[in-house]
Parts: sequence; C-alpha cells; structure tokens
Amino acid sequence: EVQLLESGGGLVQPGGSLRLSCAASGFTFSSYAMSWVRQAPGKGLEWVSAISGSGGSTYYADSVKGRFTISRDNSKNTLYLQMNSLRAEDTAVYYCAKGDCSGGSCPRGYYGMDVWGQGTTVTVSS
Amino acid sequence: DIVMTQTPLSSPVTLGQPASISCRSSQSLVHSDGNTYLSWLQQRPGQPPRLLIYKISNRFSGVPDRFSGSGAGTDFTLKISRVEAEDVGVYYCMQATQSITFGQGTRLEIK
Repeated sequence: EVQLLESGGGLVQPGGSLRLSCAASGFTFSSYAMSWVRQAPGKGLEWVSAISGSGGSTYYADSVKGRFTISRDNSKNTLYLQMNSLRAEDTAVYYCAKGDCSGGSCPRGYYGMDVWGQGTTVTVSS
Repeated sequence: DIVMTQTPLSSPVTLGQPASISCRSSQSLVHSDGNTYLSWLQQRPGQPPRLLIYKISNRFSGVPDRFSGSGAGTDFTLKISRVEAEDVGVYYCMQATQSITFGQGTRLEIK
C-alpha cells in the first residue's frame, strides 16, 4: 500500500524558514515524480512544486519561486520542501503527492498525481 | 496558465439521486501525446484530496462505479449515479496537460 507521511509543519514568524519532509513507502520511490500541493484555510488547492524521479528536474509555482526549494533523497525514500522567507500567505496545509506514471512512460514535463498524504500545517504569523 | 472553471460551486442533492459537476478549461487539454490529462478529486471534510477519475473517464483503484467521468477537449463532467452520505465533500477537477491547475471546487451537500 502506498503511504505518504508529511512532517515538519508548525508556527513560524514572517521571514522565517521551515523544512517539510514526506516519507514514502509502498512503491519504488525513485521511479516517480513527486509534488507538493497546498491548501490555504477554507480555500482550494494550489500546486506548489514538483520534482522528477531522479531529482534532475524541478518545477515551482511563481508564488514560491526563489523562496522554496524542493529536493529528494531516494536512498531514504523522502521528499523535502525547504521554505524560506515565509509570508502570511504561505499559511496552508501542505500535501505531498505521488506521481501517477513511472520513469520513461511519463511525457516530458508531466506531473500528474494519484496518491496524497495527510498533510502538515504551516502557519506563518507573528 | 490553464484556468479551470467548475459549475456549480455548490450542489445540494437528495440521497439516492444523481449529481453532476461540470468543469471547463480555458484551452484544450489534449496533450501532444494524444492523452487528455483531466482528473477529478474528492475531498471529504477534514481529509486530504483523493483521486477518483484520471484521463477523463478512468476510475482510480477502489473508486465505486457510481462515479463516472466524461468529456473531451475543454468540457468535462463528473457524474455520481446515486449519491450516498459518504459522498459529501468538495470535488475538484485538475488538469495536468500543461503544468497543473485545479478548479475552484464544488461543494456537494445533502438536502
């Protein structure tokens, strides 16, 4: 069974930093792209960042570009999101999600998702 | 970015009756590989999103067959043949043809 477990959320002051982790199990982690998606309180879903299976390609939403860094450690089956220069508008539940196609079967630049974690809450406030 | 527009934003439905949600994209979702990467997600209260339908009409593992998807190009529909109490929540369409964007969500509630 595919399982994704996020951690690292919490309360942080504006301008601060936080690193989120997503521990994956139940599938060959290195074969799948992974994404971070966030949901502000009472709002809809926003795709934040994605990374290819090898880690060689990354994507960022304009809203976080230059402030957030996605990475992965395939030896530890873990996805990360380093968040710097945090703003109040970054307050959200952050979900990690598994890509829905493996390796060479994926179109270039494709980051569709099929399984989501339970999420971790990030609150940016003074 | 491709904009996804869902209608209605709220749908009160009687238990056992059908429900339908529409999703329109600002441009065609047909990928250069010939696939159309349109998915439907369900988010129950207090839960993470869950994939229901992918590539317009394919049910994900474990999804009941009362859920079905249809459409082409820029217009897509999610149908629930007979609404059950556990179907209450917010439904999102999502496109992955060009980057990823979501619809605003449709809240399904029981009358």
